[in-house]
Amino acid sequence: QEQLVESGGGVVQPGGSLRLSCAASGFTFSNYGMHWVRQAPGKGLEWVAFIRYDGSNEDYADSVKGRISISRDISKNTLYLQMNTLRTEDTAVYHCAKDTRFAMVSWGQGTPVTVSS
Amino acid sequence: QSALTQPASVSGSPGQSITISCTGTSSDVGSYNFVSWYRQHPGTAPKLMIYDVSDRPSGVSHRFSGSKSGNTASLTISGLQAEDEADYYCSSYAGTPSFGVVFGGGTKLTVL
Repeated sequence: QEQLVESGGGVVQPGGSLRLSCAASGFTFSNYGMHWVRQAPGKGLEWVAFIRYDGSNEDYADSVKGRISISRDISKNTLYLQMNTLRTEDTAVYHCAKDTRFAMVSWGQGTPVTVSS
Repeated sequence: QSALTQPASVSGSPGQSITISCTGTSSDVGSYNFVSWYRQHPGTAPKLMIYDVSDRPSGVSHRFSGSKSGNTASLTISGLQAEDEADYYCSSYAGTPSFGVVFGGGTKLTVL
């Protein structure tokens, strides 16, 4: 059974950094692109970043470009999201999701990030 | 990367059919057949209901169907059931370079 488990969220001050992780199991991680999607409290879904199955290309939402970096470690079946220069508007639950043709076919339960002084 | 436009809310009675629209532009919905729909119950992760405009993942009820015309995609739910009450989001691939994926603002479906 496919499973995605996020971790690494927490409370951080504005300007701070966090690295989120997403542990994948139940499928061949190296065969699939992966997304990060976030949801601010009481708000809708917002796509954050995508990395191709082989790590050869990444895409980012304009709202995070230059501050956030997506990466993956095939040997550990783990996806990462390095978040720097965090802003209060980055407060959200962050989900990782498995991609098939730009559809998010499996989702993790998410890890909450709160940016507050 | 502008969000796709969905109605804020729709409602229907059990057994009825409803349709949720999702309007984009010629740069996203109008150019690609990579339109997806997700259902999200409160406090849970979203679930994929439709991909590639009109395909259903294994295990999703045949009551859910998708279509597209021009820059607007639609999700139709027939034979409404209480469990269908949830938030629904559409998404579309938005092309290159680096346009990624764009979501709609979400639609709250109320089963009366």
